Amino acid sequence: DAGVIQSPRHEVTEMGQEVTLRCKPISGHNSLFWYRQTMMRGLELLIYFNNNVPIDDSGMPEDRFSAKMPNASFSTLKIQPSEPRDSAVYFCASRGTGVNEQFFGPGTRLTVL
Amino acid sequence: AQRVTQPEKLLSVFKGAPVELKCNYSYSGSPELFWYVQYSRQRLQLLLRHISRESIKGFTADLNKGETSFHLKKPFAQEEDSAMYYCALSEGGSNYKLTFGKGTLLTVNP
Repeated sequence: DAGVIQSPRHEVTEMGQEVTLRCKPISGHNSLFWYRQTMMRGLELLIYFNNNVPIDDSGMPEDRFSAKMPNASFSTLKIQPSEPRDSAVYFCASRGTGVNEQFFGPGTRLTVL
Repeated sequence: AQRVTQPEKLLSVFKGAPVELKCNYSYSGSPELFWYVQYSRQRLQLLLRHISRESIKGFTADLNKGETSFHLKKPFAQEEDSAMYYCALSEGGSNYKLTFGKGTLLTVNP
């Protein structure tokens, strides 16, 4: 298993553009998490899904951010319009049933100019 | 709301010296506590959890409910222990979200 897969690994865009980050969880895992990592705020949970249903989106910073999980093997995090303060590393993680352990993807480094 | 505090952003020790990475939490219930580690150019991964009461790569961590702490310790640090360490808290039960501290960058010098 390749583990959690994220794409793209790096994204550079201009302010105002739409950005879509993608995540493929580990097969068989039923919980998926999106995190944002910055120097100032550390690792923050944005949203998490259980069985493809959003459970807690209290960490989503504002309406410019949205996340979807159309099926068990795919999720997207969209920022529209993007702003320079959105520059960060975005991580996706997944978790199976039974053991409380999250498996992280390699992250997407987003730079908004 | 729950909170995890790691007071040291940076910690530097010499090889063979003891190391302790501090973690304090605030949560009114009975949390599950974890240490995650990120080695250079690798993914964030679980190091250990308090429920397991295990030692991984020589590291141990004891949950002290009185002091609300979960410090990570190793008696003799190795160069390969150099990494970013994150303490994390889960409310447990059916709530799967993790609250992370801001992390401590450990450097073990030769």
